[in-house]
Amino acid sequence: GIQVEQSPPDLILQEGANSTLRCNFSDSVNNLQWFHQNPWGQLINLFYIPSGTKQNGRLSATTVATERYSLLYISSSQTTDSGVYFCAVAAGTASKLTFGTGTRLQVTL
Amino acid sequence: EPEVTQTPSHQVTQMGQEVILRCVPISNHLYFYWYRQILGQKVEFLVSFYNNEISEKSEIFDDQFSVERPDGSNFTLKIRSTKLEDSAMYFCASNPDRGYGYTFGSGTRLTVV
Repeated sequence: GIQVEQSPPDLILQEGANSTLRCNFSDSVNNLQWFHQNPWGQLINLFYIPSGTKQNGRLSATTVATERYSLLYISSSQTTDSGVYFCAVAAGTASKLTFGTGTRLQVTL
Repeated sequence: EPEVTQTPSHQVTQMGQEVILRCVPISNHLYFYWYRQILGQKVEFLVSFYNNEISEKSEIFDDQFSVERPDGSNFTLKIRSTKLEDSAMYFCASNPDRGYGYTFGSGTRLTVV
């Protein structure tokens, strides 16, 4: 099956700093989503982005499908950004999502 | 914005008991899914459901698991005889069709004691 690798596995930032999270995948995809898992365990959809670039406030994402990677940018980080960020993809014509192992982000004061 | 609703949010059950986790997907979505996440691990696919039948299932989804769409709105996951290792967060999700974004529910945290 498709492999999804995320880096870095852990990240500690001071409030106000910027960061870039990376997701590499091993096959062509028809779906790519970025999720934020908050401390209560909820999966919050950030972006549906199988290709191209999107922005939502302080967050933006870029997927280069031909090179099989996606990047999530967090600018001016806040303590509420803490949690685990997952990239998830659906390969080829499949419908199921395969999740990466996540990046655990901690934003400190 | 439409939501996927899951109930209960938490459930504690004794080993060997049957549990049913309930979900109400978004009404015009066609694909429904169950995923699980063991504490500290990544989210794993269990099963997808389309046109009133299972379209794909993982190795985790063995004979102890079943899914059902008993009416036009509910989608359930049944675990027949729970084991300690079934303790996890179970997520329901839906999307309008393949290649479209998923919406996940808030999850049911299942603890088997």
